[in-house]
Amino acid sequence: GENVEQHPSTLSVQEGDSAVIKCTYSDSASNYFPWYKQELGKRPQLIIDIRSNVGEKKDQRIAVTLNKTAKHFSLHITETQPEDSAVYFCAATTSGGSYIPTFGRGTSLIVHP
Amino acid sequence: DTGVSQDPRHKITKRGQNVTFRCDPISEHNRLYWYRQTLGQGPEFLTYFQNEAQLEKSRLLSDRFSAERPKGSFSTLEIQRTEQGDSAMYLCASGPMDEQYFGPGTRLTVT
Repeated sequence: GENVEQHPSTLSVQEGDSAVIKCTYSDSASNYFPWYKQELGKRPQLIIDIRSNVGEKKDQRIAVTLNKTAKHFSLHITETQPEDSAVYFCAATTSGGSYIPTFGRGTSLIVHP
Repeated sequence: DTGVSQDPRHKITKRGQNVTFRCDPISEHNRLYWYRQTLGQGPEFLTYFQNEAQLEKSRLLSDRFSAERPKGSFSTLEIQRTEQGDSAMYLCASGPMDEQYFGPGTRLTVT
């Protein structure tokens, strides 16, 4: 089955800095990679996703990159703000079937004002 | 609110009791998933429905767990003879294809 590794487990930055979270996956058949943000006590929220036919995708201050050859993908947050503080989860999914994602263990991002 | 809803939000039960949780997906989504999440971990897949058909169950899912989705709308997850190890957040998600949208979860505490 798929295995997703996520690093770092904790990331502490100053407001305005950039933050990068990295994930690797094992199954070359995975082709859909969503990222979720989970604030304390709240539901995971889909913030951005990328499919295997695209190398990079941006949405305002967040971007995701995918390297299929190396089987890794990354979340980039620029100009971080205190409200970006949350746990971020990456996931890898094989489309065309049951679309069951395998999640990473999460990265706790702390943005200090 | 047209998002995924779950009920109850919190449940405290004694070991050995049965509990049932409900999930109401986004109405046009035919796919519905149940996950379990414990502290410091990502969501762990439990089971998946497409319309009313339960198409996959995790190998980790004990036979004390059962789920239904009658008529392809809301879903229920029942845990029989609860154990302390069942304490977790139970999340439901729905989606049209590979995108999934999560509900707020039901936090289960087994004492």
